[in-house]
Amino acid sequence: GQNIDQPTEMTATEGAIVQINCTYQTSGFNGLFWYQQHAGEAPTFLSYNVLDGLEEKGRFSSFLSRSKGYSYLLLKELQMKDSASYLCAVRDPGNNRKLIWGLGTSLAVNP
Amino acid sequence: GAGVSQTPSNKVTEKGKYVELRCDPISGHTALYWYRQSLGQGPEFLIYFQGTGAADDSGLPNDRFFAVRPEGSVSTLKIQRTERGDSAVYLCASSLSAGTGNEQFFGPGTRLTVL
Repeated sequence: GQNIDQPTEMTATEGAIVQINCTYQTSGFNGLFWYQQHAGEAPTFLSYNVLDGLEEKGRFSSFLSRSKGYSYLLLKELQMKDSASYLCAVRDPGNNRKLIWGLGTSLAVNP
Repeated sequence: GAGVSQTPSNKVTEKGKYVELRCDPISGHTALYWYRQSLGQGPEFLIYFQGTGAADDSGLPNDRFFAVRPEGSVSTLKIQRTERGDSAVYLCASSLSAGTGNEQFFGPGTRLTVL
């Protein structure tokens, strides 16, 4: 079956760096997404990785290793507004139009 | 331009009633998705449209759930004989197409509560 694992909760301090990991077990691979979701709001797109390596976008970076079935989202210079749930999703290898979602990592940024 | 909009934002209904949830995607987006999300969970796929046709409805939990997109733009998710277990946030998303790499833009969701 298809499976995505993320830590349930993480805590970090304002100004620090935090890494949120995501591992996936799927029968193939066609791309991985990271979304941010604030409480009571819709998910918003952060990044997309389909090739190995690091994609940097401002304070946020996303890394992918296809051989290890592993990705991480790196958040630098944390701000209080970064407190949110971070969702990892991979394209369903059996149906490219569908996404398989993780349960999300709830990040709390403390002053 | 406007993002994805959904109405109503909140819907409270009684067990056994019929409800309709509406999604207005971003103009020009041909792909439209419906998801259901419970507290502390990731989105659960329900159905996906490419244009007017339901390209994949494998996520609909049972035949009480149905969705339409008659003109390839606005979509309506219909739930008959609602049950308490249907209570969740129903999210709609759209993308330019269903091709690889196209990000999905989500609406604010409709919070459905079945009493």
